[in-house]
Amino acid sequence: AQSVTQLGSHVSVSEGALVLLRCNYSSSVPPYLFWYVQYPNQGLQLLLKYTSAATLVKGINGFEAEFKKSETSFHLTKPSAHMSDAAEYFCAVSSNAGNNRKLIWGLGTSLAVNP
Amino acid sequence: NAGVTQTPKFQVLKTGQSMTLQCAQDMNHEYMSWYRQDPGMGLRLIHYSVGAGITDQGEVPNGYNVSRSTTEDFPLRLLSAAPSQTSVYFCASSYSQTDISGNTIYFGEGSWLTVV
Repeated sequence: AQSVTQLGSHVSVSEGALVLLRCNYSSSVPPYLFWYVQYPNQGLQLLLKYTSAATLVKGINGFEAEFKKSETSFHLTKPSAHMSDAAEYFCAVSSNAGNNRKLIWGLGTSLAVNP
Repeated sequence: NAGVTQTPKFQVLKTGQSMTLQCAQDMNHEYMSWYRQDPGMGLRLIHYSVGAGITDQGEVPNGYNVSRSTTEDFPLRLLSAAPSQTSVYFCASSYSQTDISGNTIYFGEGSWLTVV
């Protein structure tokens, strides 16, 4: 069965500091991996996704994530945090194995950016 | 391009009342779904549909009903509202669920429902 674990439900960084949001997954078949962002009082929108092409994936707003199969990780990073990055971030995994084609969601990480 | 449109944005219901959350997408997506979002529990799938006339249950379907008479619309019905259904509800759609699971899911802006 697939699962997703986001380490740290709350992360706080200073403006200009590195952002690192952790996501580990388990999947018995090659996964598809996603990061979505949810700004306050809004729906979720895709930040980036890994679909078995390049292991380093670049997304919107300067975010990127690296798929590391050996570590079963897909951590999200941004070199320099901006106040506008404050939001909830969700990692998700899916696969097209068999009939299981649902997204499995992590519980989310709330990112606070301090001035 | 409107994307995924949900109505209403806010609703207060009394216990036992019924209501329908509307969802429409204009992207000709086959796959549509409803999630609820509760603090500390992330997103939980209520119902989903892989095409007109086809619906299936997600992880928390009890107390909810759906139908998919057209590709565009996927309403969620609360049959007899309970305080446990107080939540934020999101409708989402994707081009296809059946050929590749790497597709992007597009979300509506959410419906805040309070049951008193």
